[in-house]
Amino acid sequence: GPKVLQIPSHQIIDMGQMVTLNCDPVSNHLYFYWYKQILGQQMEFLVNFYNGKVMEKSKLFKDQFSVERPDGSYFTLKIQPTALEDSAVYFCASSLQQSNERLFFGHGTKLSVL
Amino acid sequence: QQQVRQSSQSLTVWEGETAILNCSYENSAFDYFPWYQQFPGEGPALLIAIRSVSDKKEDGRFTIFFNKREKNLSLHIKDSQPGDSATYFCAAREASNNRIFFGDGTQLVVKP
Repeated sequence: GPKVLQIPSHQIIDMGQMVTLNCDPVSNHLYFYWYKQILGQQMEFLVNFYNGKVMEKSKLFKDQFSVERPDGSYFTLKIQPTALEDSAVYFCASSLQQSNERLFFGHGTKLSVL
Repeated sequence: QQQVRQSSQSLTVWEGETAILNCSYENSAFDYFPWYQQFPGEGPALLIAIRSVSDKKEDGRFTIFFNKREKNLSLHIKDSQPGDSATYFCAAREASNNRIFFGDGTQLVVKP
Protein backbone atom coordinates (compact mmCIF):
# COMPACT_ATOMS: atom_id res chain seq x y z
CA GLY A 1 0.00 0.00 0.00
CA PRO A 2 0.99 3.68 0.02
CA LYS A 3 4.01 4.43 2.16
CA VAL A 4 5.21 7.42 4.10
CA LEU A 5 8.99 7.37 4.57
CA GLN A 6 10.76 9.08 7.44
CA ILE A 7 14.46 9.78 7.60
CA PRO A 8 16.34 9.17 9.85
CA SER A 9 14.76 6.50 12.02
CA HIS A 10 16.75 7.66 15.04
CA GLN A 11 18.51 10.93 15.75
CA ILE A 12 20.63 11.68 18.79
CA ILE A 13 21.44 15.31 19.39
CA ASP A 14 22.79 17.60 22.09
CA MET A 15 20.42 20.04 23.72
CA GLY A 16 20.50 23.41 22.00
CA GLN A 17 21.43 22.06 18.59
CA MET A 18 19.19 22.19 15.55
CA VAL A 19 17.57 19.09 14.11
CA THR A 20 15.61 18.48 10.93
CA LEU A 21 13.29 15.53 10.61
CA ASN A 22 12.47 14.50 7.06
CA CYS A 23 9.31 12.99 5.68
CA ASP A 24 8.54 11.73 2.20
CA PRO A 25 4.73 11.60 2.10
CA VAL A 26 2.57 9.50 -0.20
CA SER A 27 3.11 10.93 -3.65
CA ASN A 28 -0.36 12.24 -4.49
CA HIS A 29 -1.29 13.33 -1.00
CA LEU A 30 -1.96 16.97 -0.28
CA TYR A 31 -2.27 17.25 3.50
CA PHE A 32 0.65 16.65 5.82
CA TYR A 33 0.93 16.30 9.56
CA TRP A 34 3.39 15.90 12.37
CA TYR A 35 2.49 14.07 15.57
CA LYS A 36 4.57 13.61 18.71
CA GLN A 37 4.44 10.34 20.61
CA ILE A 38 5.85 9.86 24.09
CA LEU A 39 6.43 6.51 25.83
CA GLY A 40 4.81 4.56 23.01
CA GLN A 41 1.42 6.13 23.62
CA GLN A 42 -0.04 9.63 23.68
CA MET A 43 -0.23 10.53 19.98
CA GLU A 44 -0.32 14.31 20.13
CA PHE A 45 -1.03 16.55 17.17
CA LEU A 46 1.59 19.16 16.39
CA VAL A 47 0.76 20.72 13.06
CA ASN A 48 -0.92 20.26 9.72
CA PHE A 49 0.23 21.70 6.42
CA TYR A 50 -1.44 22.22 3.09
CA ASN A 51 -0.55 24.09 -0.06
CA GLY A 52 2.67 25.40 1.39
CA LYS A 53 1.11 26.74 4.56
CA VAL A 54 0.52 25.76 8.16
CA MET A 55 -3.21 25.25 8.50
CA GLU A 56 -3.37 24.56 12.18
CA LYS A 57 -0.94 24.02 15.03
CA SER A 58 -1.29 22.92 18.62
CA LYS A 59 0.18 24.39 21.80
CA LEU A 60 2.94 21.79 21.54
CA PHE A 61 4.17 23.42 18.34
CA LYS A 62 6.51 25.84 20.04
CA ASP A 63 8.18 28.84 18.45
CA GLN A 64 11.32 26.72 18.06
CA PHE A 65 9.43 24.45 15.63
CA SER A 66 8.96 25.09 11.95
CA VAL A 67 7.73 23.08 8.98
CA GLU A 68 8.16 23.40 5.26
CA ARG A 69 8.01 21.46 2.04
CA PRO A 70 10.21 23.28 -0.44
CA ASP A 71 9.39 22.52 -4.10
CA GLY A 72 7.46 19.33 -3.32
CA SER A 73 10.45 17.62 -1.79
CA TYR A 74 10.63 16.37 1.78
CA PHE A 75 8.13 17.67 4.30
CA THR A 76 10.38 18.72 7.17
CA LEU A 77 10.07 19.49 10.84
CA LYS A 78 12.87 21.65 12.15
CA ILE A 79 13.51 22.24 15.83
CA GLN A 80 15.92 25.04 16.67
CA PRO A 81 17.12 25.01 19.38
CA THR A 82 16.21 21.61 20.79
CA ALA A 83 15.30 21.06 24.45
CA LEU A 84 15.33 17.93 26.60
CA GLU A 85 11.51 17.70 26.51
CA ASP A 86 11.63 17.41 22.73
CA SER A 87 12.80 13.80 23.13
CA ALA A 88 10.02 11.68 21.63
CA VAL A 89 9.08 9.78 18.51
CA TYR A 90 7.85 12.09 15.79
CA PHE A 91 5.42 10.68 13.26
CA CYS A 92 4.73 12.21 9.91
CA ALA A 93 1.38 11.49 8.30
CA SER A 94 -0.27 12.40 5.03
CA SER A 95 -3.76 12.21 3.60
CA LEU A 96 -5.25 12.68 0.19
CA GLN A 97 -8.30 14.57 1.26
CA GLN A 98 -9.08 17.21 3.81
CA SER A 99 -11.68 14.88 5.27
CA ASN A 100 -8.84 12.98 6.96
CA GLU A 101 -10.72 9.74 6.83
CA ARG A 102 -7.47 7.92 6.46
CA LEU A 103 -4.10 9.14 7.62
CA PHE A 104 -1.03 7.27 6.44
CA PHE A 105 1.76 7.34 8.99
CA GLY A 106 5.48 6.82 8.61
CA HIS A 107 7.44 4.59 10.96
CA GLY A 108 8.53 7.56 13.02
CA THR A 109 11.80 9.26 13.90
CA LYS A 110 12.98 8.71 17.43
CA LEU A 111 14.60 11.92 18.63
CA SER A 112 16.85 11.74 21.67
CA VAL A 113 17.99 15.08 23.04
CA LEU A 114 20.87 14.75 25.50
CA GLN B 1 -7.99 18.53 28.19
CA GLN B 2 -8.24 15.02 26.81
CA GLN B 3 -10.81 14.96 24.03
CA VAL B 4 -10.77 11.20 23.54
CA ARG B 5 -10.34 8.82 26.46
CA GLN B 6 -9.48 5.15 26.41
CA SER B 7 -10.42 3.43 29.61
CA SER B 8 -7.56 0.95 29.74
CA GLN B 9 -3.89 1.57 29.23
CA SER B 10 -3.38 -2.15 28.74
CA LEU B 11 -5.44 -5.29 28.23
CA THR B 12 -4.43 -8.95 28.22
CA VAL B 13 -6.59 -11.72 26.77
CA TRP B 14 -6.06 -15.34 25.81
CA GLU B 15 -5.96 -16.49 22.22
CA GLY B 16 -9.48 -17.14 20.97
CA GLU B 17 -11.17 -14.73 23.39
CA THR B 18 -12.90 -11.50 22.41
CA ALA B 19 -10.91 -8.42 23.32
CA ILE B 20 -13.01 -5.33 24.11
CA LEU B 21 -11.37 -1.91 24.01
CA ASN B 22 -13.38 1.03 25.27
CA CYS B 23 -13.32 4.66 24.30
CA SER B 24 -15.29 7.75 25.27
CA TYR B 25 -15.39 11.37 24.16
CA GLU B 26 -16.84 14.73 25.17
CA ASN B 27 -17.24 16.72 21.99
CA SER B 28 -20.62 16.38 20.28
CA ALA B 29 -19.07 17.81 17.12
CA PHE B 30 -17.12 14.62 16.47
CA ASP B 31 -18.59 12.83 13.45
CA TYR B 32 -16.13 10.11 12.52
CA PHE B 33 -14.26 7.64 14.72
CA PRO B 34 -11.32 5.67 13.33
CA TRP B 35 -9.37 3.06 15.23
CA TYR B 36 -5.67 2.84 14.46
CA GLN B 37 -3.47 -0.17 15.16
CA GLN B 38 0.22 0.31 15.93
CA PHE B 39 2.88 -2.38 16.13
CA PRO B 40 6.19 -1.64 17.90
CA GLY B 41 8.57 0.33 15.71
CA GLU B 42 5.89 1.25 13.21
CA GLY B 43 3.46 4.06 12.68
CA PRO B 44 -0.26 3.68 13.39
CA ALA B 45 -2.35 2.25 10.58
CA LEU B 46 -6.09 2.61 10.07
CA LEU B 47 -7.88 -0.55 11.16
CA ILE B 48 -11.59 0.24 11.03
CA ALA B 49 -13.76 3.33 11.37
CA ILE B 50 -17.36 4.34 12.00
CA ARG B 51 -19.42 7.43 11.28
CA SER B 52 -21.58 8.92 13.98
CA VAL B 53 -24.76 8.14 12.03
CA SER B 54 -24.14 4.40 12.51
CA ASP B 55 -24.19 2.30 15.64
CA LYS B 56 -22.20 -0.66 14.40
CA LYS B 57 -19.46 -1.34 11.89
CA GLU B 58 -18.05 -4.78 11.23
CA ASP B 59 -15.01 -5.84 9.25
CA GLY B 60 -14.01 -9.46 9.66
CA ARG B 61 -13.08 -10.12 13.28
CA PHE B 62 -13.22 -6.41 14.15
CA THR B 63 -16.44 -4.64 15.17
CA ILE B 64 -17.07 -1.14 16.43
CA PHE B 65 -20.12 -0.53 18.62
CA PHE B 66 -21.05 3.13 18.87
CA ASN B 67 -23.39 4.84 21.33
CA LYS B 68 -23.93 8.44 20.36
CA ARG B 69 -26.17 9.27 23.30
CA GLU B 70 -23.62 8.02 25.82
CA LYS B 71 -20.65 9.33 23.79
CA ASN B 72 -18.79 6.08 23.90
CA LEU B 73 -17.68 3.37 21.57
CA SER B 74 -15.88 0.08 21.76
CA LEU B 75 -13.74 -2.05 19.50
CA HIS B 76 -14.38 -5.78 19.72
CA ILE B 77 -11.78 -8.18 18.39
CA LYS B 78 -13.28 -11.65 18.05
CA ASP B 79 -11.15 -14.78 18.21
CA SER B 80 -8.09 -12.77 19.25
CA GLN B 81 -4.77 -13.94 17.83
CA PRO B 82 -1.24 -13.32 19.14
CA GLY B 83 -0.66 -11.31 15.95
CA ASP B 84 -3.32 -8.85 17.17
CA SER B 85 -0.98 -7.81 19.99
CA ALA B 86 -0.45 -4.11 19.38
CA THR B 87 -1.45 -0.69 20.66
CA TYR B 88 -4.90 0.43 19.56
CA PHE B 89 -5.75 4.09 19.32
CA CYS B 90 -9.29 5.35 19.36
CA ALA B 91 -9.57 8.62 17.45
CA ALA B 92 -12.24 11.15 16.61
CA ARG B 93 -12.65 13.74 13.89
CA GLU B 94 -14.10 17.15 14.52
CA ALA B 95 -16.61 17.89 11.76
CA SER B 96 -15.89 21.63 11.46
CA ASN B 97 -12.18 21.42 10.75
CA ASN B 98 -11.49 17.69 10.16
CA ARG B 99 -8.97 17.70 12.96
CA ILE B 100 -8.24 14.23 14.36
CA PHE B 101 -7.84 13.69 18.09
CA PHE B 102 -6.25 10.52 19.42
CA GLY B 103 -6.77 8.73 22.69
CA ASP B 104 -3.79 7.59 24.71
CA GLY B 105 -3.96 4.07 23.30
CA THR B 106 -4.62 0.64 24.77
CA GLN B 107 -1.81 -1.89 24.60
CA LEU B 108 -3.36 -5.27 23.83
CA VAL B 109 -1.50 -8.48 24.58
CA VAL B 110 -2.96 -11.74 23.29
CA LYS B 111 -1.43 -14.74 25.02
CA PRO B 112 -1.22 -18.03 23.13
